[in-house]
Amino acid sequence: QKEVEQDPGPLSVPEGAIVSLNCTYSNSAFQYFMWYRQYSRKGPELLMYTYSSGNKEDGRFTAQVDKSSKYISLFIRDSQPSDSATYLCAMSSGNTGKLIFGQGTTLQVKP
Amino acid sequence: DSGVTQTPKHLITATGQRVTLRCSPRSGDLSVYWYQQSLDQGLQFLIQYYNGEERAKGNILERFSAQQFPDLHSELNLSSLELGDSALYFCASSVVGPADYGYTFGSGTRLTVV
Repeated sequence: QKEVEQDPGPLSVPEGAIVSLNCTYSNSAFQYFMWYRQYSRKGPELLMYTYSSGNKEDGRFTAQVDKSSKYISLFIRDSQPSDSATYLCAMSSGNTGKLIFGQGTTLQVKP
Repeated sequence: DSGVTQTPKHLITATGQRVTLRCSPRSGDLSVYWYQQSLDQGLQFLIQYYNGEERAKGNILERFSAQQFPDLHSELNLSSLELGDSALYFCASSVVGPADYGYTFGSGTRLTVV
């Protein structure tokens, strides 16, 4: 079983829809949670960063962390065709070492 | 431009050969990370260097090695290449570790082994 599980999709939605992306994890030591967006053939870029539990909002993006359920989510409101990309969740237990990534969910937003 | 520079962008080489991938971290970042991304395995952590010293090691093959130089740039050496080594190789950097608001990734080197 992988430490981080993420549904690879693909997920196809119409423009303007609310998108929900999710990851589950097994390691209770994870404290730092991130969402990255990766366009085709490009490097991942950091979208959201959250420490411990709670919600964080940035424009159309909201990240939620529920440590009791070992579950994190990313919501995208008013989705745009430019949001079409692969979204990767990532997490870490501390200040050294690796980020563990989910497999990534491919999202397509249709005009 | 993320500030993390990787060269070359593309590399095509034959099985059994050796290649070197280069990474210059973002200004001020002391940690460099190498990741391999393939379709079936996703982003797999290879190794981390912090200020010239190896800090953490992941699923890095013995045929692979890395180092970080005094100017903080890093090189990933891949030898005795096999077809299965074909992948995207990403370098990322951070001030210290992942808690520093995550990593900043470079645009990657696409390695094709034929």
